[in-house]
Amino acid sequence: EAQVTQNPRYLITVTGKKLTVTCSQNMNHEYMSWYRQDPGLGLRQIYYSMNVEVTDKGDVPEGYKVSRKEKRNFPLILESPSPNQTSLYFCASSFGRQETQYFGPGTRLLVL
Amino acid sequence: GQQLNQSPQSMFIQEGEDVSMNCTSSSIFNTWLWYKQDPGEGPVLLIALYKAGELTSNGRLTAQFGITRKDSFLNISASIPSDVGIYFCAGSSGKSTFGDGTTLTVKP
Repeated sequence: EAQVTQNPRYLITVTGKKLTVTCSQNMNHEYMSWYRQDPGLGLRQIYYSMNVEVTDKGDVPEGYKVSRKEKRNFPLILESPSPNQTSLYFCASSFGRQETQYFGPGTRLLVL
Repeated sequence: GQQLNQSPQSMFIQEGEDVSMNCTSSSIFNTWLWYKQDPGEGPVLLIALYKAGELTSNGRLTAQFGITRKDSFLNISASIPSDVGIYFCAGSSGKSTFGDGTTLTVKP
């Protein structure tokens, strides 16, 4: 089944404790991106990747890192999480930047 | 940056009624997309529009790509309870920009 998977789905952590949210897609998509969703603010892009080893900042990149060592995986890294990073995070992938994006199920993060 | 204005923000309707929502922008887009998000899930694509003036249907859903390329609307006919959720528009010209969503509640 074609899909985008994220892990974990739910995470509670404390300020400053590094964490990684994994994202994987099995559709051979070149383009992958991370969004955060907050009430009243819709979906905001954090980082995106056009292909392996090619990443770039989205609209709200501060406090986040990403890597794209393999085509299928695009982990989101929070080196020192803060409470304002409490949010719902979505990974998405598509064949190209303008193509239809397929979203993962989301990761709900709470930073205490 | 680019911004989308999606309206209405929320709708409370009776089962069987038709629904209409729209997105407008000051920027031109090459693609308009409509997504639906169920509680606890990621957005799922409903309709994709690639050409100005294009009118596309998917079952009870109909969407149009505005002729100016700066707007799009989504209609849902004869709503049913499972239509509840948040509907997002997205405009794309290289980068995708999302509207803030329309939360739809359908009363049986």
